[in-house]
Amino acid sequence: NAGVTQTPKFRVLKTGQSMTLLCAQDMNHEYMYWYRQDPGMGLRLIHYSVGEGTTAKGEVPDGYNVSRLKKQNFLLGLESAAPSQTSVYFCASSISNYEQYFGPGTRLTVT
Amino acid sequence: GIQVEQSPPDLILQEGANSTLRCNFSDSVNNLQWFHQNPWGQLINLFYIPSGTKQNGRLSATTVATERYSLLYISSSQTTDSGVYFCAVDGDYKLSFGAGTTVTVRA
Repeated sequence: NAGVTQTPKFRVLKTGQSMTLLCAQDMNHEYMYWYRQDPGMGLRLIHYSVGEGTTAKGEVPDGYNVSRLKKQNFLLGLESAAPSQTSVYFCASSISNYEQYFGPGTRLTVT
Repeated sequence: GIQVEQSPPDLILQEGANSTLRCNFSDSVNNLQWFHQNPWGQLINLFYIPSGTKQNGRLSATTVATERYSLLYISSSQTTDSGVYFCAVDGDYKLSFGAGTTVTVRA
């Protein structure tokens, strides 16, 4: 039981490049989330999903897209990366509106 | 959205000391969690505690939902307790995080 995993762990992009972050969970959780954490701050919600095939916007959705084609996977896409998207990205999952479990994070730098 | 305030922002402890961290929130919540972010950036679940009191070893937490606050107690602190402690609350699926309390435990 690996819990929540994220790939890649680190990535450096140039402005304008695109990439996809993958989150996978093996706990059969319905709900999944993407957060970003900037230096000295708590996490902020980007997008979330309450089930396969559904997505919704969080607090800071601009510049990101998501997809939940399979229950166990939640993808976060950056179509045209900007330096303001330099951050640490965390994925989480939960059973309904209960305790959330977090992945190890992806450190993204956009130059 | 729900506002979450944590205090103090920074805390320096001598090994073996006890401390209390506070989390105030602005509205009723369905979920409240405490996390420890270690120096490597990993988020570790400490407590899921929308109300009541829980204990886990040297750590304990109390949430008084009617008064909209939660407390995290660290007893007999150790250097491995260093890191940032976050409180996060959820009124509608989505967790809102406080800014955290940075704890430094000195040997």
